[in-house]
Amino acid sequence: EAGVTQFPSHSVIEKGQTVTLRCDPISGHDNLYWYRRVMGKEIKFLLHFVKESKQDESGMPNNRFLAERTGGTYSTLKVQPAELEDSGVYFCASSQEPYNSPLHFGNGTRLTVT
Amino acid sequence: AQSVTQPDIHITVSEGASLELRCNYSYGATPYLFWYVQSPGQGLQLLLKYFSGDTLVQGIKGFEAEFKRSQSSFNLRKPSVHWSDAAEYFCAVGPHNTGTASKLTFGTGTRLQVTL
Repeated sequence: EAGVTQFPSHSVIEKGQTVTLRCDPISGHDNLYWYRRVMGKEIKFLLHFVKESKQDESGMPNNRFLAERTGGTYSTLKVQPAELEDSGVYFCASSQEPYNSPLHFGNGTRLTVT
Repeated sequence: AQSVTQPDIHITVSEGASLELRCNYSYGATPYLFWYVQSPGQGLQLLLKYFSGDTLVQGIKGFEAEFKRSQSSFNLRKPSVHWSDAAEYFCAVGPHNTGTASKLTFGTGTRLQVTL
């Protein structure tokens, strides 16, 4: 089966610009998660979708971040406008169930804001 | 709030030597515990997990981890390291209530270098 796919793998943008990250989960996985790792720090939870609904968005840093999952398939994470501190690696993960089921991670999108 | 500490940022071992990566957690009850590995250019791959039962957990690639409640630790071990084990290793905890086990709290990671 195809794994979790993230696009783009790298993105370099200037402060104030907009960037949209995309995640395609494993087919049939209703649960989709976004995590972020800022340079040298821990990987932090951003939010959790169950199908198209946001189950938990307690980790979203601020209202410059907007996540969507229309139709319950792929998800996008938009940062608008981007700030320097948004730089990091954004990981997407999916699972069949929200518990007792391993997370399958994508390779991540490395975002650099200059 | 739950937290995970990986005290070693970087470890270097010789190929064939044994390995132990440390992980301590802070959590009010018994958490779900995980070890993930990230090889260069790859995503995070689950090595092993502890939910309940036997405190010694076997994982993929010859890794094992032992849950020690008294020490709040979940150290990762491998008896003989291979050069392909060079990667970054992450310990993580998840809450022990249904529906949120996948909302993980990660440590800062330990980068493993293997010398030939």
